[in-house]
Amino acid sequence: AQKITQTQPGMFVQEKEAVTLDCTYDTSDQSYGLFWYKQPSSGEMIFLIYQGSYDEQNATEGRYSLNFQKARKSANLVISASQLGDSAMYFCAMGLRTTDKLIFGTGTRLQVFP
Amino acid sequence: EPEVTQTPSHQVTQMGQEVILRCVPISNHLYFYWYRQILGQKVEFLVSFYNNEISEKSEIFDDQFSVERPDGSNFTLKIRSTKLEDSAMYFCASSVNSGSSYNEQFFGPGTRLTVL
Repeated sequence: AQKITQTQPGMFVQEKEAVTLDCTYDTSDQSYGLFWYKQPSSGEMIFLIYQGSYDEQNATEGRYSLNFQKARKSANLVISASQLGDSAMYFCAMGLRTTDKLIFGTGTRLQVFP
Repeated sequence: EPEVTQTPSHQVTQMGQEVILRCVPISNHLYFYWYRQILGQKVEFLVSFYNNEISEKSEIFDDQFSVERPDGSNFTLKIRSTKLEDSAMYFCASSVNSGSSYNEQFFGPGTRLTVL
């Protein structure tokens, strides 16, 4: 079954610290993509970072990096130097070659405190 | 930077009424999607649309739902007879290509639908 699992319903981190949000995935497909989206309290979905299944290097976008461990089927999001504005829900999603849809996890609510 | 827009931002309707949610995808994108997110739950795929046809739909997307691209810019989701359980945030998204494994889908800000 194609599935995304986010086991952390909530996380707290102090400003300027790094935080890792966990994501594991399940698919038998060889070609897939993993995405992270941020959803602030205003509700919109903001794309953060993408990792393709054939990418050998971990993706990075500014303060965001993706710790991709293919054998473990994990794609954890690392946010370095957390800022108060990082407080939001974070969703991990998977895309497959054979379908148009993105499969989302249940999300992790991150709260950054001063 | 181009973005997906959605109107209205919030729609309140009575059970049994028809609603139309509107989206303007990014202009050079060819593939369009609707997702929904029931409050506190994960985002769920409803339907994808390409070349004026539905290319894929989920089991949620039953006969009460329909999609249309009435002109060159708008993409709409119609719910014919709303139910209480249709209350959710509805997201429109668009992408340049198909196949979700390598294509970023750009999401709009969402329409919050409340059915009373």
